[in-house]
Amino acid sequence: GAVVSQHPSRVICKSGTSVKIECRSLDFQATTMFWYRQFPKQSLMLMATSNEGSKATYEQGVEKDKFLINHASLTLSTLTVTSAHPEDSSFYICSARDWQGPQGSEKLFFGSGTQLSVL
Amino acid sequence: DAKTTQPTSMDCAEGRAANLPCNHSTISGNEYVYWYRQIHSQGPQYIIHGLKNNETNEMASLIITEDRKSSTLILPHATLRDTAVYYCIVPRGKSTFGDGTTLTVKP
Repeated sequence: GAVVSQHPSRVICKSGTSVKIECRSLDFQATTMFWYRQFPKQSLMLMATSNEGSKATYEQGVEKDKFLINHASLTLSTLTVTSAHPEDSSFYICSARDWQGPQGSEKLFFGSGTQLSVL
Repeated sequence: DAKTTQPTSMDCAEGRAANLPCNHSTISGNEYVYWYRQIHSQGPQYIIHGLKNNETNEMASLIITEDRKSSTLILPHATLRDTAVYYCIVPRGKSTFGDGTTLTVKP
């Protein structure tokens, strides 16, 4: 199956610094990627939809100035957590959408996630 | 996304079939239902999807009711490695996840 590479897998940073997470679709072109965050024992929470060549669409309550998303190519989307604080500590997951054919079904392929710990 | 409803948790004996139900009563005629699973501390994994007909692949089978308002994911011979959270979703432009079903396969 298709592969989505996400890195780093784990990052520890000091409060106030910025952290960039990369998400790459390795064997297909993804016009749309999604970014999620997940707290322990909870489901994935959609943060934003990233469309290649255009601005990301953020979910309600997600600060676009804090979580900067760039989708400059069909295989790469990045999430930058700016001025990170301890409350931003979470598991961040990306996914890339791969359309499956003329009938319009899709599959999502997920990265392995990034555990962010802000001290 | 169309709202989906799944039981919070289920247990299954190793080697037996695991049947995971999902209600999606607001699904529209051209919308697919998808199943993913997430093993602890990993990214979710695609399992299967379907529109109207039942589907089978190397991982699982998907049974969709005739009115398409519900479906059942079947893992025919559950193993301990199938212990995970299973999500049923009907995306509408974006893919949001509910709480899913925590399946625990027991020896």
